[in-house]
Amino acid sequence: DAMVIQNPRYQVTQFGKPVTLSCSQTLNHNVMYWYQQKSSQAPKLLFHYYDKDFNNEADTPDNFQSRRPNTSFCFLDIRSPGLGDAAMYLCATSREKLVNEQFFGPGTRLTVL
Amino acid sequence: GQQLNQSPQSMFIQEGEDVSMNCTSSSIFNTWLWYKQDPGEGPVLLIALYKAGELTSNGRLTAQFGITRKDSFLNISASIPSDVGIYFCAGQGSNDMRFGAGTRLTVKP
Repeated sequence: DAMVIQNPRYQVTQFGKPVTLSCSQTLNHNVMYWYQQKSSQAPKLLFHYYDKDFNNEADTPDNFQSRRPNTSFCFLDIRSPGLGDAAMYLCATSREKLVNEQFFGPGTRLTVL
Repeated sequence: GQQLNQSPQSMFIQEGEDVSMNCTSSSIFNTWLWYKQDPGEGPVLLIALYKAGELTSNGRLTAQFGITRKDSFLNISASIPSDVGIYFCAGQGSNDMRFGAGTRLTVKP
C-alpha cells in the first residue's frame, strides 16, 4: 500500500543533544511537509519542500532544519532540542501544493529529558 | 499561524446518536478537508471538498463545503465507540492550509 512512513515512532533525546527524525513516502508526491503538534492542539506547519524547493514558515525557530535528499525521503533535524520541543512531529505529503489533500504519517513522539 | 474557528471543542454523546461539528473562517478557502486523529497517531483524511456547495458522504460521514466558501460542517450519523477521537477541519486557500483547533469526540457505549 502506498503510504507515509515515519521512523522512529518514539524518540527520546537529552536537552541540547541533536536529533534527526525521518519520513519516507511511497506515494511519489511532490510536496513533503513537517508539522509540530503539541498535546490537544492543531498541527503547526514548520516547513515544506516542493520538490527540492525548501519553504520555511516565518515563525519556525532556527533550531529546526530539514533535508530532502530525494523524492521519497525527508528529514527533520533539531539541532539543540529544548524542553519546549517535546511534541509529536508529523510528516505529510501531497501531490501538488494547495490543490490536493495532504496525507499524514503516524508521527514521531519526541521526548526531551 | 491563524486557525479556523472549529466548534464544538468537545462532545460527549451516547452510542447511536448523530454528531455535528463545523468550522468557520473570515477567509475564503478553495478546499475543505476533514481529518480524524486517534491518540498517538497521525491525522487520517476522512473527506475532501473541492467546490462551494458540495455535499460529500463517506459511509456514516457527511460533509459540506459552505456556499460562501468560508465554512464547512461534518456530520456523523449513528455514532459507534470507534468514532472516538479528535476531528480536525482544514481549509486550503491560495497561500496556505489552516487547521481548526479540533473537536474531541467521546462516545459512551
